[in-house]
Amino acid sequence: NAGVTQTPKFRILKIGQSMTLQCTQDMNHNYMYWYRQDPGMGLKLIYYSVGAGITDKGEVPNGYNVSRSTTEDFPLRLELAAPSQTSVYFCASSSFQGIYNSPLHFGNGTRLTVT
Amino acid sequence: GIQVEQSPPDLILQEGANSTLRCNFSDSVNNLQWFHQNPWGQLINLFYIPSGTKQNGRLSATTVATERYSLLYISSSQTTDSGVYFCAVELNQGGKLIFGQGTELSVKP
Repeated sequence: NAGVTQTPKFRILKIGQSMTLQCTQDMNHNYMYWYRQDPGMGLKLIYYSVGAGITDKGEVPNGYNVSRSTTEDFPLRLELAAPSQTSVYFCASSSFQGIYNSPLHFGNGTRLTVT
Repeated sequence: GIQVEQSPPDLILQEGANSTLRCNFSDSVNNLQWFHQNPWGQLINLFYIPSGTKQNGRLSATTVATERYSLLYISSSQTTDSGVYFCAVELNQGGKLIFGQGTELSVKP
């Protein structure tokens, strides 16, 4: 199993450009998440999904969009990039088991710079 | 929303020393996880611990959900333990994991 795979690893955008961060997992996990981590800070939840066709906002959703058309894929879209979106983006997944979720598995992150 | 506070914010240890990291949370949670972020930025799950105590080698964790805190113990620390330790809580609504700000640990040889 590859686990959680994120692409690209690095990207530089100009202000106002758009891009999609890709995330795919091969563990058949139903829950998927997008987090951002600013330098020296913790992780902030952007969006999450509890299954295909279902998404919900996290703590910091403004400026982002997501979709979940398949169990495996959970892309994150930035429509009009702003310098405040310079960050490291992590995708993660987990599997719901009865009452509790399984441990969270993270991808290796995408480092995005907006100039 | 729920507040997740970790202490101390940073910690410097000599190799071989023991340490205790704390995670307090302000509301009822369904679950709690501890993570280690290594100096290369990778996030690794250490413990999945809704309650009770678990041990994995030199690391152990205890969660007292009724008193809204969790502790991570590192014994005989090694330089490879350096990095940032995060706790994350799963809200009772399910599916939403909220992270604390982390404890940055530096272990000196």
